[in-house]
Amino acid sequence: DTAVSQTPKYLVTQMGNDKSIKCEQNLGHDTMYWYKQDSKKFLKIMFSYNNKELIINETVPNRFSPKSPDKAHLNLHINSLELGDSAVYFCASSPQSGLESYFGEGSWLTVV
Amino acid sequence: AQSVAQPEDQVNVAEGNPLTVKCTYSVSGNPYLFWYVQYPNRGLQFLLKYITGDNLVKGSYGFEAEFNKSQTSFHLKKPSALVSDSALYFCAVRVHTGGFKTIFGAGTRLFVKA
Repeated sequence: DTAVSQTPKYLVTQMGNDKSIKCEQNLGHDTMYWYKQDSKKFLKIMFSYNNKELIINETVPNRFSPKSPDKAHLNLHINSLELGDSAVYFCASSPQSGLESYFGEGSWLTVV
Repeated sequence: AQSVAQPEDQVNVAEGNPLTVKCTYSVSGNPYLFWYVQYPNRGLQFLLKYITGDNLVKGSYGFEAEFNKSQTSFHLKKPSALVSDSALYFCAVRVHTGGFKTIFGAGTRLFVKA
């Protein structure tokens, strides 16, 4: 049983396209996150949701739009993809905001 | 500014020897501190945390960490390293900026040689 699952694992797409990454957690956690990990392995929070409500938006371009249909799901839609969006995107969840997080396996996005 | 630092990009240790991966932090208020491990092409895995109580915290896979308030440090330790411990280790701290969030250090790559 995968606690935090995200799909797709790999995504190769052209500049200008729109794509989505889906995330689901079965841990019963209230808080979910999207993180971006760049090629140097720096990990930066993008968004944080608590019970479907946006709590943190880390000055991410508005081409990135998260959606949380319920507290077990947090999807990430990206419009007009750019080369600089190439990275690994991790979904995570935690029992409460700011406590230990449980991460998905990552989605490798390559924009060509 | 609130931050977390991992001063070593890489730590090399021989199998069977003790290992230490360093972490220092700067936060306002009482810190919530975490260690995570990332294996190649995988997500981060939570190892241990300090919130309050005993300064020595034990976690998964035989790892432990010592909280030192005066030195604002939270170093990760293991008495006897295994080759399989080779991975990328992240220290993290909870901060409050309009809501709670976790900021991560830059990561330290641990190499354990047989």
